[in-house]
Amino acid sequence: DTEVTQTPKHLVMGMTNKKSLKCEQHMGHRAMYWYKQKAKKPPELMFVYSYEKLSINESVPSRFSPECPNSSLLNLHLHALQPEDSALYLCASRVPSSYNSPLHFGNGTRLTVT
Amino acid sequence: GQQLNQSPQSMFIQEGEDVSMNCTSSSIFNTWLWYKQDPGEGPVLLIALYKAGELTSNGRLTAQFGITRKDSFLNISASIPSDVGIYFCAGQLRFTGTASKLTFGTGTRLQVTL
Repeated sequence: DTEVTQTPKHLVMGMTNKKSLKCEQHMGHRAMYWYKQKAKKPPELMFVYSYEKLSINESVPSRFSPECPNSSLLNLHLHALQPEDSALYLCASRVPSSYNSPLHFGNGTRLTVT
Repeated sequence: GQQLNQSPQSMFIQEGEDVSMNCTSSSIFNTWLWYKQDPGEGPVLLIALYKAGELTSNGRLTAQFGITRKDSFLNISASIPSDVGIYFCAGQLRFTGTASKLTFGTGTRLQVTL
């Protein structure tokens, strides 16, 4: 079992809906990441939080809004998405500022936008 | 974003055969990671490499950090059906801040026949 837990596992939403993806880890990692993965492609970085502050935003559209309420939780708020936003959304975590702390991934949320 | 060149793109092998795949980059990395991803799940870390020339094993898996820091290799010995999946390499740049990014390879899809 992965130590990074993501909910829900599957989500179907309309283009006018507002929904949120949740991620939780209890490994004491203070760097948390959101990735987007399309079928048969590698994960693409969206956001990085380090010590609960947004440190990297890879020019992601504003219809994706991340939030890190505490050191264990990471949310991704979704609003007015497009069908092309359908993908597997992966959360990951690691120890920041440590070169020998690899990234640990959750099992993802499979998002379908209709 | 930048991707690493990973080869082969896909391979069909028979159970019991050895497998080799590699990852190359035009840029230097100071960490190489190898992940395996099963359908509907997140990537799982297989091996992490932190030093040029390093050779590390994890069961039937062996990976090497290229001496030039621009490549890495993964070998799987005596393949079994559960080795099926997509294998991603990932390189990590020397970080300057509190968070660092991974650059993923394009993936190698492995299928094992009985």
